[in-house]
Amino acid sequence: EAQVTQNPRYLITVTGKKLTVTCSQNMNHEYMSWYRQDPGLGLRQIYYSMNVEVTDKGDVPEGYKVSRKEKRNFPLILESPSPNQTSLYFCASSLRGDAYYGYTFGSGTRLTVV
Amino acid sequence: AQSVTQPDIHITVSEGASLELRCNYSYGATPYLFWYVQSPGQGLQLLLKYFSGDTLVQGIKGFEAEFKRSQSSFNLRKPSVHWSDAAEYFCAVPGGADGLTFGKGTHLIIQP
Repeated sequence: EAQVTQNPRYLITVTGKKLTVTCSQNMNHEYMSWYRQDPGLGLRQIYYSMNVEVTDKGDVPEGYKVSRKEKRNFPLILESPSPNQTSLYFCASSLRGDAYYGYTFGSGTRLTVV
Repeated sequence: AQSVTQPDIHITVSEGASLELRCNYSYGATPYLFWYVQSPGQGLQLLLKYFSGDTLVQGIKGFEAEFKRSQSSFNLRKPSVHWSDAAEYFCAVPGGADGLTFGKGTHLIIQP
C-alpha cells in the first residue's frame, strides 16, 4: 500500500531532550515536507526537501532540523525541544514539488513538550 | 503573497442535507486549488483539485467544487451529507517555500 509512515504517533518529552520523529514513504516521491498543525493557525510548513540531499526552510523552521540522506526517509529533529513546539506534526510527500500531484500525508505525530 | 481564507470555522449540517464550504484565495496567476479532508486522528486526504479547464471539479466521496475566478472562490459542495463526513476540511493553494498554503480549516459537524 502506498503510504507515508510517521513514528511515533504520540510522544511526551521534557524540555531540552533531543528527539527525532521519523517519516518514510514507499512511493519513490522526490518531494517531502514537514508541517505542524496548531489550533487557529492551520498547517504551517517547517522544512521541505526537493530531493536527496536538498532541503530548505519553510515558514516556521526555527528550532527544527531535517536531513534527506535517502529518498524514502525525511526525519524531523528537535535538538532542544521547548513547550512552544507542542503540536501535531505531519509529514507529506509528492511525486514532484510543484503540488500538481497533490500531497500524501502521514497520520501525524502528536508531540507534547513539558 | 498567496493566501487562502476559509470564513467559517465551524459548520453544522443535518444528515442528508446539502453542504457548501467556502474558500477564497489570493493568488497572482491562475491558481492550482485543492481541498483536503482530515478525519479525526488521521492525516489529510486529497478530496479534489483544480488546475485548469472545466471549472466544476468532481472529487472523491461525492464532493465537488466550483472555481469562480470573478469571485476568487473555490467552494466545496456535497448534495447530501453522511455522518461519516464529519471532519476538518482544508482549502489550499501553492504557497511559499514550494509547499502548499492551507486555510485554517472548517470543522464540519453532522447532526442526526
